[in-house]
Amino acid sequence: AQSVTQLGSHVSVSEGALVLLRCNYSSSVPPYLFWYVQYPNQGLQLLLKYTSAATLVKGINGFEAEFKKSETSFHLTKPSAHMSDAAEYFCAGKSVTEKLVFGKGTKLTVNP
Amino acid sequence: EAEVAQSPRYKITEKSQAVAFWCDPISGHATLYWYRQILGQGPELLVQFQDESVVDDSQLPKDRFSAERLKGVDSTLKIQPAELGDSAMYLCASSLAPVDTQYFGPGTRLTVL
Repeated sequence: AQSVTQLGSHVSVSEGALVLLRCNYSSSVPPYLFWYVQYPNQGLQLLLKYTSAATLVKGINGFEAEFKKSETSFHLTKPSAHMSDAAEYFCAGKSVTEKLVFGKGTKLTVNP
Repeated sequence: EAEVAQSPRYKITEKSQAVAFWCDPISGHATLYWYRQILGQGPELLVQFQDESVVDDSQLPKDRFSAERLKGVDSTLKIQPAELGDSAMYLCASSLAPVDTQYFGPGTRLTVL
């Protein structure tokens, strides 16, 4: 069964610094992978998705993620953090036949 | 831009009471999901509908939870009776088909006292 692991429950960066949020997946078949963002007391907003078309995926708000099969990773990056990026980020994955499985989330804090 | 609608946004109830949540998916989305998200964790699937049929309710506590999607459009999730441990965010999502991207509603924050 698909599982998703997010390394680091909390990440803190300075405004303007690189954002790197880590996600590893386990699967014996090519997965669909997603990053969602959640602001307090709100639902999940899709940032980007990987569906095997390209290994480097660009999303909204300047975020991107790279699928690395050899490392079973799908880390999320943004070159320059903005105060408005402070939120909780969830990595999720599924195969064609299985349900979507979420990681435990990483809370991003952006310091002025 | 089409969105998933949920109501109410917040619900406070006492234990042993009944509560119900409503979800209206994006128009044309045949697949509808209910998730529960406990504070500090990722969402976990409770039930998945394909049109009006349940295709996965393996994680739904059926002794107290029920879900329906009678006409294959909007859906209701009910808890009766509510317990303290049911306090969580309940999220609804929809997709065109099971393999497609899921889009989430704003959620219902349930507090059981």
